Amino acid sequence: QKEVEQNSGPLSVPEGAIASLNCTYSDRGSQSFFWYRQYSGKSPELIMSIYSNGDKEDGRFTAQLNKASQYVSLLIRDSQPSDSATYLCAVAGGTSYGKLTFGQGTILTVHP
Amino acid sequence: DGGITQSPKYLFRKEGQNVTLSCEQNLNHDAMYWYRQDPGQGLRLIYYSQIVNDFQKGDIAEGYSVSREKKESFPLTVTSAQKNPTAFYLCASSPRPGQGANEQYFGPGTRLTVT
Repeated sequence: QKEVEQNSGPLSVPEGAIASLNCTYSDRGSQSFFWYRQYSGKSPELIMSIYSNGDKEDGRFTAQLNKASQYVSLLIRDSQPSDSATYLCAVAGGTSYGKLTFGQGTILTVHP
Repeated sequence: DGGITQSPKYLFRKEGQNVTLSCEQNLNHDAMYWYRQDPGQGLRLIYYSQIVNDFQKGDIAEGYSVSREKKESFPLTVTSAQKNPTAFYLCASSPRPGQGANEQYFGPGTRLTVT
Protein backbone atom coordinates (compact mmCIF):
# COMPACT_ATOMS: atom_id res chain seq x y z
CA GLN A 1 0.00 0.00 0.00
CA LYS A 2 1.35 3.41 -0.97
CA GLU A 3 1.88 5.84 1.89
CA VAL A 4 0.10 8.67 0.08
CA GLU A 5 -2.32 7.82 -2.67
CA GLN A 6 -4.21 10.16 -4.96
CA ASN A 7 -7.22 9.46 -7.11
CA SER A 8 -6.17 8.21 -10.48
CA GLY A 9 -6.43 10.63 -13.35
CA PRO A 10 -6.45 12.27 -15.55
CA LEU A 11 -9.42 14.32 -14.41
CA SER A 12 -11.23 16.43 -16.98
CA VAL A 13 -13.81 19.07 -16.07
CA PRO A 14 -15.54 21.82 -18.04
CA GLU A 15 -14.71 25.44 -17.38
CA GLY A 16 -16.73 26.80 -14.47
CA ALA A 17 -17.24 23.40 -12.83
CA ILE A 18 -15.93 22.18 -9.47
CA ALA A 19 -12.86 19.96 -9.65
CA SER A 20 -12.44 17.51 -6.78
CA LEU A 21 -9.05 16.01 -6.03
CA ASN A 22 -8.67 13.34 -3.39
CA CYS A 23 -5.82 11.93 -1.34
CA THR A 24 -5.55 9.22 1.30
CA TYR A 25 -2.60 8.54 3.58
CA SER A 26 -1.54 5.58 5.67
CA ASP A 27 0.36 7.11 8.62
CA ARG A 28 -2.15 8.00 11.37
CA GLY A 29 0.46 10.18 13.06
CA SER A 30 0.59 12.59 10.13
CA GLN A 31 0.11 16.16 11.25
CA SER A 32 0.24 18.49 8.27
CA PHE A 33 -1.04 18.27 4.74
CA PHE A 34 -0.25 20.21 1.61
CA TRP A 35 -1.44 20.61 -1.94
CA TYR A 36 1.00 21.60 -4.65
CA ARG A 37 0.25 22.58 -8.23
CA GLN A 38 2.77 21.68 -10.92
CA TYR A 39 2.49 23.01 -14.44
CA SER A 40 4.06 20.94 -17.18
CA GLY A 41 7.82 21.36 -17.18
CA LYS A 42 7.81 23.51 -14.04
CA SER A 43 8.48 22.95 -10.36
CA PRO A 44 5.71 22.39 -7.76
CA GLU A 45 4.07 25.45 -6.20
CA LEU A 46 2.47 25.33 -2.76
CA ILE A 47 -1.18 26.34 -3.01
CA MET A 48 -2.79 25.07 0.20
CA SER A 49 -1.82 23.79 3.62
CA ILE A 50 -4.12 22.33 6.26
CA TYR A 51 -3.36 21.11 9.76
CA SER A 52 -6.66 20.45 11.55
CA ASN A 53 -9.88 18.66 10.69
CA GLY A 54 -12.41 20.54 8.66
CA ASP A 55 -12.32 22.92 5.74
CA LYS A 56 -9.90 25.67 4.84
CA GLU A 57 -10.79 28.09 2.09
CA ASP A 58 -8.49 30.33 0.06
CA GLY A 59 -10.13 32.03 -2.89
CA ARG A 60 -11.43 29.37 -5.27
CA PHE A 61 -9.58 26.61 -3.41
CA THR A 62 -10.91 24.63 -0.45
CA ALA A 63 -8.89 21.99 1.34
CA GLN A 64 -10.75 19.43 3.44
CA LEU A 65 -9.15 17.21 6.08
CA ASN A 66 -10.59 14.20 7.89
CA LYS A 67 -7.93 12.62 10.09
CA ALA A 68 -10.22 9.83 11.28
CA SER A 69 -10.70 8.67 7.70
CA GLN A 70 -7.11 9.61 6.78
CA TYR A 71 -8.40 11.62 3.89
CA VAL A 72 -7.60 15.04 2.48
CA SER A 73 -9.15 16.68 -0.55
CA LEU A 74 -8.86 19.81 -2.66
CA LEU A 75 -11.84 21.45 -4.29
CA ILE A 76 -11.38 24.00 -7.04
CA ARG A 77 -14.48 26.06 -7.66
CA ASP A 78 -15.19 27.86 -10.93
CA SER A 79 -12.39 25.92 -12.63
CA GLN A 80 -10.44 27.79 -15.27
CA PRO A 81 -8.26 26.49 -18.11
CA SER A 82 -5.31 28.00 -16.22
CA ASP A 83 -5.98 25.45 -13.44
CA SER A 84 -4.93 22.67 -15.81
CA ALA A 85 -1.91 21.12 -14.12
CA THR A 86 -0.77 18.19 -12.03
CA TYR A 87 -1.83 18.44 -8.38
CA LEU A 88 0.39 16.79 -5.78
CA CYS A 89 -0.76 15.86 -2.29
CA ALA A 90 1.96 15.86 0.38
CA VAL A 91 1.87 14.72 4.00
CA ALA A 92 4.23 15.44 6.92
CA GLY A 93 4.65 14.30 10.50
CA GLY A 94 4.31 10.91 12.10
CA THR A 95 7.05 8.59 10.93
CA SER A 96 7.93 11.16 8.25
CA TYR A 97 9.32 13.57 10.81
CA GLY A 98 11.05 16.44 9.03
CA LYS A 99 10.03 15.17 5.59
CA LEU A 100 7.17 15.35 3.16
CA THR A 101 5.77 12.25 1.50
CA PHE A 102 4.20 12.96 -1.88
CA GLY A 103 1.46 11.21 -3.77
CA GLN A 104 1.93 10.41 -7.42
CA GLY A 105 -0.15 13.38 -8.55
CA THR A 106 -3.43 13.84 -10.39
CA ILE A 107 -3.51 15.49 -13.79
CA LEU A 108 -6.36 17.98 -14.10
CA THR A 109 -7.54 19.33 -17.43
CA VAL A 110 -10.11 22.14 -17.55
CA HIS A 111 -11.60 22.43 -21.02
CA PRO A 112 -13.35 25.56 -22.30
CA ASP B 1 14.28 38.93 -4.38
CA GLY B 2 14.03 36.05 -1.93
CA GLY B 3 13.93 32.58 -3.36
CA ILE B 4 15.59 29.35 -4.31
CA THR B 5 17.87 29.15 -7.32
CA GLN B 6 19.05 26.06 -9.11
CA SER B 7 21.61 25.99 -11.84
CA PRO B 8 21.89 25.11 -14.57
CA LYS B 9 18.35 24.67 -15.90
CA TYR B 10 19.47 21.97 -18.35
CA LEU B 11 22.52 19.77 -17.97
CA PHE B 12 23.92 17.16 -20.31
CA ARG B 13 26.58 14.65 -19.35
CA LYS B 14 28.19 11.52 -20.66
CA GLU B 15 27.69 8.28 -18.81
CA GLY B 16 30.40 7.66 -16.24
CA GLN B 17 30.90 11.31 -15.31
CA ASN B 18 30.03 12.79 -11.94
CA VAL B 19 27.98 15.99 -12.05
CA THR B 20 27.11 18.52 -9.35
CA LEU B 21 23.79 20.37 -9.26
CA SER B 22 23.66 23.69 -7.49
CA CYS B 23 20.96 24.84 -5.04
CA GLU B 24 21.06 28.18 -3.24
CA GLN B 25 18.41 29.87 -1.07
CA ASN B 26 18.30 33.32 0.50
CA LEU B 27 15.14 32.69 2.55
CA ASN B 28 17.08 31.95 5.72
CA HIS B 29 15.44 28.52 5.82
CA ASP B 30 17.00 25.88 8.05
CA ALA B 31 16.06 22.78 6.07
CA MET B 32 16.85 21.88 2.48
CA TYR B 33 15.85 18.90 0.37
CA TRP B 34 16.66 17.21 -2.92
CA TYR B 35 14.03 15.33 -4.91
CA ARG B 36 14.01 13.47 -8.15
CA GLN B 37 11.00 13.37 -10.49
CA ASP B 38 10.66 10.97 -13.40
CA PRO B 39 8.08 11.47 -16.16
CA GLY B 40 4.53 10.91 -14.94
CA GLN B 41 5.63 10.24 -11.39
CA GLY B 42 5.61 11.99 -8.05
CA LEU B 43 8.61 13.27 -6.14
CA ARG B 44 11.10 10.94 -4.51
CA LEU B 45 13.36 12.20 -1.73
CA ILE B 46 17.10 11.80 -2.29
CA TYR B 47 18.70 13.64 0.67
CA TYR B 48 17.68 16.25 3.18
CA SER B 49 19.38 18.49 5.69
CA GLN B 50 17.78 20.16 8.68
CA ILE B 51 20.86 22.01 9.87
CA VAL B 52 24.28 23.01 8.62
CA ASN B 53 26.87 20.21 8.58
CA ASP B 54 24.20 17.53 8.94
CA PHE B 55 22.17 15.61 6.38
CA GLN B 56 20.18 12.38 6.10
CA LYS B 57 19.51 9.91 3.34
CA GLY B 58 16.08 9.92 1.79
CA ASP B 59 14.37 7.06 0.02
CA ILE B 60 16.68 6.86 -3.02
CA ALA B 61 20.12 8.07 -1.85
CA GLU B 62 22.20 5.42 -3.63
CA GLY B 63 24.44 6.96 -6.27
CA TYR B 64 24.09 10.50 -4.88
CA SER B 65 26.03 12.62 -2.41
CA VAL B 66 25.46 16.00 -0.77
CA SER B 67 27.13 18.54 1.48
CA ARG B 68 25.76 21.31 3.70
CA GLU B 69 28.66 23.56 4.61
CA LYS B 70 26.59 26.75 4.50
CA LYS B 71 22.99 27.39 5.47
CA GLU B 72 22.14 28.81 2.06
CA SER B 73 23.71 26.09 -0.09
CA PHE B 74 22.97 22.38 -0.58
CA PRO B 75 24.71 20.98 -3.68
CA LEU B 76 23.88 17.52 -5.00
CA THR B 77 26.42 15.33 -6.77
CA VAL B 78 25.12 12.66 -9.11
CA THR B 79 27.85 10.05 -9.25
CA SER B 80 28.61 7.50 -11.93
CA ALA B 81 27.20 4.87 -9.57
CA GLN B 82 23.66 6.18 -10.13
CA LYS B 83 22.22 3.74 -12.65
CA ASN B 84 19.47 5.91 -14.12
CA PRO B 85 20.49 9.54 -13.55
CA THR B 86 18.39 11.15 -16.28
CA ALA B 87 15.59 12.97 -14.46
CA PHE B 88 14.20 16.31 -13.28
CA TYR B 89 15.96 17.29 -10.04
CA LEU B 90 14.19 19.60 -7.60
CA CYS B 91 15.62 21.39 -4.61
CA ALA B 92 13.36 22.64 -1.83
CA SER B 93 13.71 24.46 1.47
CA SER B 94 11.60 24.72 4.59
CA PRO B 95 11.59 27.29 7.39
CA ARG B 96 10.44 25.00 10.19
CA PRO B 97 11.82 21.50 9.78
CA GLY B 98 10.25 18.71 11.74
CA GLN B 99 7.71 20.76 13.66
CA GLY B 100 4.76 19.08 12.00
CA ALA B 101 4.22 22.00 9.66
CA ASN B 102 7.11 21.64 7.30
CA GLU B 103 5.83 23.44 4.24
CA GLN B 104 8.44 23.28 1.53
CA TYR B 105 9.18 25.70 -1.28
CA PHE B 106 10.77 24.57 -4.51
CA GLY B 107 13.39 25.93 -6.82
CA PRO B 108 12.89 25.88 -10.62
CA GLY B 109 14.63 22.52 -11.05
CA THR B 110 17.45 21.12 -13.17
CA ARG B 111 16.83 18.68 -16.03
CA LEU B 112 19.73 16.29 -16.21
CA THR B 113 20.25 14.12 -19.29
CA VAL B 114 22.95 11.47 -19.27
CA THR B 115 23.79 9.66 -22.49
